[in-house]
Amino acid sequence: GENVEQHPSTLSVQEGDSAVIKCTYSDSASNYFPWYKQELGKRPQLIIDIRSNVGEKKDQRIAVTLNKTAKHFSLHITETQPEDSAVYFCAASNSGYALNFGKGTSLLVTP
Amino acid sequence: GAVVSQHPSRVICKSGTSVKIECRSLDFQATTMFWYRQFPKKSLMLMATSNEGSKATYEQGVEKDKFLINHASLTLSTLTVTSAHPEDSSFYICSARRSGQETQYFGPGTRLLVL
Repeated sequence: GENVEQHPSTLSVQEGDSAVIKCTYSDSASNYFPWYKQELGKRPQLIIDIRSNVGEKKDQRIAVTLNKTAKHFSLHITETQPEDSAVYFCAASNSGYALNFGKGTSLLVTP
Repeated sequence: GAVVSQHPSRVICKSGTSVKIECRSLDFQATTMFWYRQFPKKSLMLMATSNEGSKATYEQGVEKDKFLINHASLTLSTLTVTSAHPEDSSFYICSARRSGQETQYFGPGTRLLVL
């Protein structure tokens, strides 16, 4: 089955700096890669996703890159703000199947 | 939008009792719903995949007789924790997906505490 590894487990950055979270996956058939943000006690919220026919996608301060050959994808957050502090999860799936989540990255943005 | 609700948001029950959790897609039809369990500061662990009108598919290690799942309509799936014990205490989250689409929308979760 699919195995998703996520690093780092914790990340602390100063407000205004960039944050990068990396994930690798094992199943070459995976073709859908979403990123979720979860605040304490709340539901995971989809922030961006990418499909395997695209190498990069950007939405304002958030971008995701995908390297299919190396089987890794990354989340980039620029100009971080304190409200970006949360746990971020990457996931991978093959169309129609369940998501396999990474273990999460706890991001802390300090003012 | 794509809104998913869950009820109840939190429940406390005595050991040995059963608890039912509802997951509803409010503004779309969800042919597939997923049930996850999340321990504090941990990732989401998939318990089962629920398809409307058919039996749920359980992940390895998840007891289907203990965690009963019913997906009776395109907008409702239920998870019943039967004969709950303290080790079943956890945060249970559902997600729903539209037919033909990959994006999963999560419910707000149900915090279960078994005394």
